[in-house]
Amino acid sequence: GAVVSQHPSWVICKSGTSVKIECRSLDFQATTMFWYRQFPKQSLMLMATSNEGSKATYEQGVEKDKFLINHASLTLSTLTVTSAHPEDSSFYICSASDRVQPQHFGDGTRLSIL
Amino acid sequence: EDQVTQSPEALRLQEGESSSLNCSYTVSGLRGLFWYRQDPGKGPEFLFTLYSAGEEKEKERLKATLTKKESFLHITAPKPEDSATYLCAVRNNNNDMRFGAGTRLTVKP
Repeated sequence: GAVVSQHPSWVICKSGTSVKIECRSLDFQATTMFWYRQFPKQSLMLMATSNEGSKATYEQGVEKDKFLINHASLTLSTLTVTSAHPEDSSFYICSASDRVQPQHFGDGTRLSIL
Repeated sequence: EDQVTQSPEALRLQEGESSSLNCSYTVSGLRGLFWYRQDPGKGPEFLFTLYSAGEEKEKERLKATLTKKESFLHITAPKPEDSATYLCAVRNNNNDMRFGAGTRLTVKP
């Protein structure tokens, strides 16, 4: 069964709105959660790493004010894309790890901004 | 800087035609090499972790091997349902992960 649940799986919204994506670890306590972005036929691009109870660490070039990450508990992290624009359209994937287990991934969220 | 290079970029096989996917890596202190399978529109699904040179893991038609510089994912007698993108990743001694670009495998019936 799914170890990491990501919701929603598909979002279509108008330009300028904010979108929240949830990532839940179902079977273990995820001390670390990761957020990735993936373009068609390309590999995963790490956006940020979040440790429970602390601020997320963003990769170079990722706007922290645009992609707000909250990791308030050991089982839940959220990514909010603020004031989304068409160029933010992408496939966003989260993963969870307790730094011993391999990363387990959610099924991703396809975000389409009109 | 850690690097992961996967080859080939794409591979087309006939059903039953065995082959291997390559993952070459450089990493500052290997803390694990991971293989994942990703189907279109889905998140990666964990397959194997290898920790040290000489280690091998098997699962159904897949076998992963590891040396100090590369890993191979051997696919024996593949079936169409094995078609997917296979991703390789390494974890370094800072617990940072780096993914390769993947190999898109297509198995034709």
